[in-house]
Amino acid sequence: AQSVTQLDSQVPVFEEAPVELRCNYSSSVSVYLFWYVQYPNQGLQLLLKYLSGSTLVESINGFEAEFNKSQTSFHLRKPSVHISDTAEYFCAVSESFGNEKLTFGTGTRLTIIP
Amino acid sequence: EAGVTQSPTHLIKTRGQQATLRCSPISGHTSVYWYQQALGLGLQFLLWYDEGEERNRGNFPPRFSGRQFPNYSSELNVNALELEDSALYLCASSSNRARGLFFGPGTRLTVL
Repeated sequence: AQSVTQLDSQVPVFEEAPVELRCNYSSSVSVYLFWYVQYPNQGLQLLLKYLSGSTLVESINGFEAEFNKSQTSFHLRKPSVHISDTAEYFCAVSESFGNEKLTFGTGTRLTIIP
Repeated sequence: EAGVTQSPTHLIKTRGQQATLRCSPISGHTSVYWYQQALGLGLQFLLWYDEGEERNRGNFPPRFSGRQFPNYSSELNVNALELEDSALYLCASSSNRARGLFFGPGTRLTVL
């Protein structure tokens, strides 16, 4: 069975500082990896995804994540955060083609300090 | 392209009542997923429907049920409501071409 671990439940970061949100997964087969963001009182929005190919994937708002198969990790990074990045971030994994059922981590609450 | 829609936005019920939540997927998506996001418990998978059939269900009691209609919209029913059913219920849809789930804004269910 697949599982996702987000070790940090809360991460406070000063505005314009870099941030890394950690995600590790466990699976016996090839996986698809996702990061979702949930702004206060809203649903989840897909931030970025790794399906195959280049191990570094980027989002349109400056986030990037790198798939590391040997370390079974998919950490999310941003070189300079903004107040508007305040949200909860969820890492998720899906196994096998055709089964979109995602297993989510417990989430990391990112708080930006002005 | 319209996103996933859910209704109602908020729902307040009392213990023992039944709740019905509705979801319309993105046009062209045939799969619908339901997740429960309860405080402190993260996102828990509830149900997966595809082409009108229930494909998988999470570790929830039978009083959580649902169905998918011919137009691929879906309904989640929760019978004999308990206080711990209070949560944000998220619906998501997907297609074979677009990997990943696309979520709606959710229905916040409060059980008093």
